[in-house]
Amino acid sequence: EPEVTQTPSHQVTQMGQEVILRCVPISNHLYFYWYRQILGQKVEFLVSFYNNEISEKSEIFDDQFSVERPDGSNFTLKIRSTKLEDSAMYFCASSDSWVQETQYFGPGTRLLVL
Amino acid sequence: AQSVTQLDSHVSVSEGTPVLLRCNYSSSYSPSLFWYVQHPNKGLQLLLKYTSAATLVKGINGFEAEFKKSETSFHLTKPSAHMSDAAEYFCVVSSTSGTYKYIFGTGTRLKVLA
Repeated sequence: EPEVTQTPSHQVTQMGQEVILRCVPISNHLYFYWYRQILGQKVEFLVSFYNNEISEKSEIFDDQFSVERPDGSNFTLKIRSTKLEDSAMYFCASSDSWVQETQYFGPGTRLLVL
Repeated sequence: AQSVTQLDSHVSVSEGTPVLLRCNYSSSYSPSLFWYVQHPNKGLQLLLKYTSAATLVKGINGFEAEFKKSETSFHLTKPSAHMSDAAEYFCVVSSTSGTYKYIFGTGTRLKVLA
């Protein structure tokens, strides 16, 4: 069964450093999402992406964040200058449509900013 | 705006007894509702989804949920708990605007006692 994969599974970084989180969505999916879950809090939407453009973003997704689909398979989330409060589990998801469609999630990347 | 409320942060059941995880939703429109499960160090796996067809939805691993519009509820049930059901469960509503992003509940941690 096809699945969404994410790398790395864990990342530790120093405050102010740039991090890139990588995702490989399901191959025939066209709609991509990033969510995050700060420890002890609910999963929150960050951004959705379609046709090489951001379709929607939350207030969390400020100028420090960017997304890219650098090739036909990868989908990345970059945090330009990490802050302590960026420590969280980041989930990538993909779907083959917007409306009423299931989003398939990767296993997550646990980011720890020191 | 859509939202979901999971009424219990923790639920403990004995193996072989029924499971009930409660979820109430708020939505101006007919919602799409989902239950996801997250096992330790694993991604979010879809258990079942409701998209305005049958109100009783059957999912994987013996789980089912009933959509009750009059009560704005979408509770998850299983007749007989198994040790492998121990996990975190998330009730999710799909936004009806923009890119249909997911809006998550706070999660319910299910513990199954031997």
